[in-house]
Amino acid sequence: GQNIDQPTEMTATEGAIVQINCTYQTSGFNGLFWYQQHAGEAPTFLSYNVLDGLEEKGRFSSFLSRSKGYSYLLLKELQMKDSASYLCAVIKEGGGATNKLIFGTGTLLAVQP
Amino acid sequence: NAGVTQTPKFRVLKTGQSMTLLCAQDMNHEYMYWYRQDPGMGLRLIHYSVGEGTTAKGEVPDGYNVSRLKKQNFLLGLESAAPSQTSVYFCASSPQRGTDTQYFGPGTRLTVL
Repeated sequence: GQNIDQPTEMTATEGAIVQINCTYQTSGFNGLFWYQQHAGEAPTFLSYNVLDGLEEKGRFSSFLSRSKGYSYLLLKELQMKDSASYLCAVIKEGGGATNKLIFGTGTLLAVQP
Repeated sequence: NAGVTQTPKFRVLKTGQSMTLLCAQDMNHEYMYWYRQDPGMGLRLIHYSVGEGTTAKGEVPDGYNVSRLKKQNFLLGLESAAPSQTSVYFCASSPQRGTDTQYFGPGTRLTVL
């Protein structure tokens, strides 16, 4: 089976740094995505990690440790527009064309002035 | 380039009624997916398709049918709607492999009374 855990809610201050953690247990791990979802909107791609280490993309960075089943999303210089849900999603290998994306329940981040 | 579009955006059904949700993508993607998103549950895969004329079951397929007669379209059908199918439905597509980034449509908010 598979299990993905993220904190339900987090609060942070504008201009600060926040780290959103994701732990997972799954057989056939084949990569991990982070998506951002504003209320009432579609999820949009933020980052993809398949190898251990840190991927940096502007104000957003994502880290993966496959041996620990752990990832985090780091948001720097927080802006009010960063208030959204952040979804951790694991690719479960199903053999070639049948890889599937398994989503966590998401972390609702509220950025306060 | 419209990306992924979904029709309709909102719908209210009575128990037992049927309907079809349409997803269209203009990115020439091979893979298409249907998810449902419920509070506290995260996105769950209903059905998916790895190419024109193919469909496969996801995590929660019961009560739904799909068809992919054209590469750009992926239809989700509810033959006899139930209140448990009240949800937000998202369609997504990805270029080729199961590890490629998925691009989401804006969602359809369905209420079954």
